[in-house]
Amino acid sequence: GEDVEQSLFLSVREGDSSVINCTYTDSSSTYLYWYKQEPGAGLQLLTYIFSNMDMKQDQRLTVLLNKKDKHLSLRIADTQTGDSAIYFCAEIYTGGFKTIFGAGTRLFVKA
Amino acid sequence: DTAVSQTPKYLVTQMGNDKSIKCEQNLGHDTMYWYKQDSKKFLKIMFSYNNKELIINETVPNRFSPKSPDKAHLNLHINSLELGDSAVYFCASSQGRNNQPQHFGDGTRLSIL
Repeated sequence: GEDVEQSLFLSVREGDSSVINCTYTDSSSTYLYWYKQEPGAGLQLLTYIFSNMDMKQDQRLTVLLNKKDKHLSLRIADTQTGDSAIYFCAEIYTGGFKTIFGAGTRLFVKA
Repeated sequence: DTAVSQTPKYLVTQMGNDKSIKCEQNLGHDTMYWYKQDSKKFLKIMFSYNNKELIINETVPNRFSPKSPDKAHLNLHINSLELGDSAVYFCASSQGRNNQPQHFGDGTRLSIL
């Protein structure tokens, strides 16, 4: 079956690091994505990782992939109030040519 | 210069009416999608078209009918609207059917009275 799971809420203080976790089921996924949704807006692609990589860093964002455990994480360094949003993990489900999204993690950043 | 644009942004209508949502992308992509996001923000694929051909048709009531006049447009028509249709509908596009990231519109907020 196809499933992507994330915890629903995360609260951090401004300046701290945030770590958002995700587990997925399709071991043949070739790409895994992180999207950000701000209030009243659509989903914005933040970053992605190819399945043959363990880690990808892009400025304040670090993506870690553990293929054995089918676990993906997004670390945001020096979290700012502008990072408050919903973060969606997504995988391409190769069996059905579609992208499966997690339920989204709501990140709250306290000043 | 909006990449994926949807109209209208807000749609308030009564139960039983028929309405359409339009989507256009200027990214030159060949695949377009419709998603429904419910009040809990859960995002579910409804339809996908690749080069004007329907490739994904999830379990969606027959009242929902997509139409793709060309690769740059994917419209969604909904007949006999019901209270449960209230949601945010997102259009997205990508290049190819696999592995490429999707670009989303800002959504159409549909409210059924």
